[in-house]
Amino acid sequence: DVKVTQSSRYLVKRTGEKVFLECVQDMDHENMFWYRQDPGLGLRLIYFSYDVKMKEKGDIPEGYSVSREKKERFSLILESASTNQTSMYLCASSLEGSSTDTQYFGPGTRLTVL
Amino acid sequence: AQSVAQPEDQVNVAEGNPLTVKCTYSVSGNPYLFWYVQYPNRGLQFLLKYITGDNLVKGSYGFEAEFNKSQTSFHLKKPSALVSDSALYFCAVRVMFSGNTPLVFGKGTRLSVIA
Repeated sequence: DVKVTQSSRYLVKRTGEKVFLECVQDMDHENMFWYRQDPGLGLRLIYFSYDVKMKEKGDIPEGYSVSREKKERFSLILESASTNQTSMYLCASSLEGSSTDTQYFGPGTRLTVL
Repeated sequence: AQSVAQPEDQVNVAEGNPLTVKCTYSVSGNPYLFWYVQYPNRGLQFLLKYITGDNLVKGSYGFEAEFNKSQTSFHLKKPSALVSDSALYFCAVRVMFSGNTPLVFGKGTRLSVIA
């Protein structure tokens, strides 16, 4: 079974702090994704990565950056957290370059910025 | 551009009754369609996908979905609902031959099954 893990289930940070959300997958997947989920808005794509050291902007990249130094790990960085970044953050991975691929999700990190 | 619409924010159904969660899509080309479920405080869990072939797709936990190209729909169904089916359901789409572009998700439908 594919396993996608996220470093924290719940996180509370203060405005202006630098925040790191970590995601690790154990199935040698090429592709990794970060989404945020907000009530009434569904899932919105922040960034994704097709390979190590590669990244692509999603629909809402402002205020975020990412890092992929190793194939299994994809980090989401909030350079200076703001209250409007309070949300549920979901990481996903998928195998390779086929459009039939299923994305597998981690359990999510619920971030609160005070 | 690809998009998915889930026209109902909330669906209520009595336990034992059939359930339907609606999804319509808009793509330039042929679609691959997915359904995911999210239980409280959990990540999304894959239920089923339509790639090609039979329009009726069977998935996990007794769920199935029917692809209807003329109506651009991919509704999720189950013949007999369980209280444990109460969750948030997401439909997603990707265009055929688009490589591994990220899935585009609908806004979700909350299903509540009442005992």
